[in-house]
Amino acid sequence: QVQLVQSGLEVKKPGASVKVSCKTSGYTFTSFGVSWVRQAPGQGLEWLGWINANNGHTNFAQTFQGRVTMTTDSSTTTAYMELRSLTSDDTAVYYCVRDWAYDLDYWGQGTLVTVSS
Amino acid sequence: QTVVTQEPSLTVSPGGTVTLTCASSTGVVTSGFYPNWFQQKPGQTPRSLIFSTSNKQSWTPARVSGSLLGGKAALTLSGVQPEDEADYYCLLLSGGLWVFGGGTKLTVL
Repeated sequence: QVQLVQSGLEVKKPGASVKVSCKTSGYTFTSFGVSWVRQAPGQGLEWLGWINANNGHTNFAQTFQGRVTMTTDSSTTTAYMELRSLTSDDTAVYYCVRDWAYDLDYWGQGTLVTVSS
Repeated sequence: QTVVTQEPSLTVSPGGTVTLTCASSTGVVTSGFYPNWFQQKPGQTPRSLIFSTSNKQSWTPARVSGSLLGGKAALTLSGVQPEDEADYYCLLLSGGLWVFGGGTKLTVL
């Protein structure tokens, strides 16, 4: 079955960077893309960007342009999202989502990133 | 940047029918926005219900449907059950980028 398993809780100081991993299984990794979505405490969903796992092409929301990097490793079928220059506003649960043909079907369990001095 | 607007909250009686809508600040929502709908219950991960306007996931209940209605994307729940109480989010593709709506809190009462 399709699974996306994310790395664990992260606690970072303002100005630091965080890198979240998303280990996938149960499907052909390079035939799909991966979107990253976050949800601040008590707030709605926010899309950060997308990566094509076949060729590494990316699209990012304007809000995160220049501050986010998305990569994949096909040898381990893992996607990564790195967010830099963290502030308290980046405190959120970050999700990876399988995304292809306009269908965001399977979600990771989420990774809580807390930014605090 | 596109703003996607949903009703902040709706209330429906058990067994009733409710339609949630999703509007774009750019104008009429068409199939080219590839509307997606997600359900999220408290403390849970979001779950996909509908993609590309009206296509259901294998796990989507038959009483849930998606459409375009009055220039917006719409999600209709028929024969509402207590377990349908949740937050519902729409997602639109605009300018090659995905944008979420603010979500609708659906209360079954």
